Formats: sequence, structure tokens, C-alpha cells
Amino acid sequence: AQKVTQAQTEISVVEKEDVTLDCVYETRDTTYYLFWYKQPPSGELVFLIRRNSFDEQNEISGRYSWNFQKSTSSFNFTITASQVVDSAVYFCALEEYGNKLVFGAGTILRVKS
Amino acid sequence: DAGVTQSPTHLIKTRGQQVTLRCSPISGHKSVSWYQQVLGQGPQFIFQYYEKEERGRGNFPDRFSARQFPNYSSELNVNALLLGDSALYLCASSVPGQPNYEQYFGPGTRLTVT
Repeated sequence: AQKVTQAQTEISVVEKEDVTLDCVYETRDTTYYLFWYKQPPSGELVFLIRRNSFDEQNEISGRYSWNFQKSTSSFNFTITASQVVDSAVYFCALEEYGNKLVFGAGTILRVKS
Repeated sequence: DAGVTQSPTHLIKTRGQQVTLRCSPISGHKSVSWYQQVLGQGPQFIFQYYEKEERGRGNFPDRFSARQFPNYSSELNVNALLLGDSALYLCASSVPGQPNYEQYFGPGTRLTVT
């Protein structure tokens, strides 16, 4: 069965530090999709990125970057020069066949000023 | 364009009661999925509906049911509420089959069962 593990329960950093959130997944599918979502205190899940299993290129979007390594089944997320507004819970998710998302337990990121 | 909307925002029910949660997808989206997020955990898949048909069901008891209407809005019903049903219920809409689609989530309905 598909599974997503986010081993870091909570991370605290000081503003302007770089931080990496880890995500390890398990799946038997050869075609799959990986996601990162941000959940601020308001509760709404905000889509950050969607990556398919055939595209292992790293992606950068502003201060955000993602490192996808199929060999280690990891899809890590790095925030460069963190800001207080980055404080939230971050979820990694794996899409099963039929568009069902399997989420990890989430990582709480606290950025202190 | 309006995003995914859910109602009500908050709800308090007593054990044994029944509850109905509502979701309106983004205009043009034909698929709606429901997720339950218990405090401190990641969301868990409950149902997916596409074109008014159930396309997927998670590991939830029969007390949970849902339906999708001709306008693609959806309702999630939970009968015989238990304390453990207290959670944030999230609705997501998407356009399956599109090469670069993603699921857009609504703000959720926070259900408290006392």
C-alpha cells in the first residue's frame, strides 16, 4: 500500500535560515504524482507543487525548491531564507490511482523573528 | 473565480446525531473529494465523486455517505456521530484527466462532537 512518511514532527528556525522538510514515500505504481501542501492556521490546504514520477528534475520557485530522488523515494522541500509567514504545517502527499491523495502526518514549521 | 466553498464553517453536534456537510467546487470542476483531518494528523481520504458517481472510497464505516448533485456540488453525511468523528472535513475539487491538474481544497468544516 502507498505510504508517505514525514519524519520531522516539528522544526523551529530563526528567520533567514534555510530549512529542509523531508518526505519519503512508498508505492508499487510506476506512474505516480507527488505533492506538497501548506496548511496555515486558517486550515485551508494551499497547493505548492505537483511532480510526476517521470520528472526527476529539481524545481525552484522563488524561495522554494524541491529535490525529487526516485532512487531513495524521497521528495524533499527546501525553503531558503525563511520568513515568519512560512510558519505553517507542511504536508507531503502521494497520489494513488484514481486521484486519491495519501498524506504524510505533516511537519510543523515555526519560524521565529 | 471563486474557490472551493464549504458550509458550515463550524459545527457542534452531540453523539448519536447526524450531520450534513456541503461543498461547492470551483466552476468547471467535475470531481469532488472529501477528506477527514483529525487534529495533529494528515488528511485521510473518505470519498471521491466524479460526474455524480462514486469513484473511490477510503477506509471509513458505512456511517459515512456522500453524494454529488447535477451542478457538481456535494454533500457528506455522517450518521450516529461518535466523539472520534471530531475533525476538520476538507473538500477538494479537480478536473480529472487534465495533464496538469491539481486538487484545490476548500477551507474546511470543523466538526466537534460532544
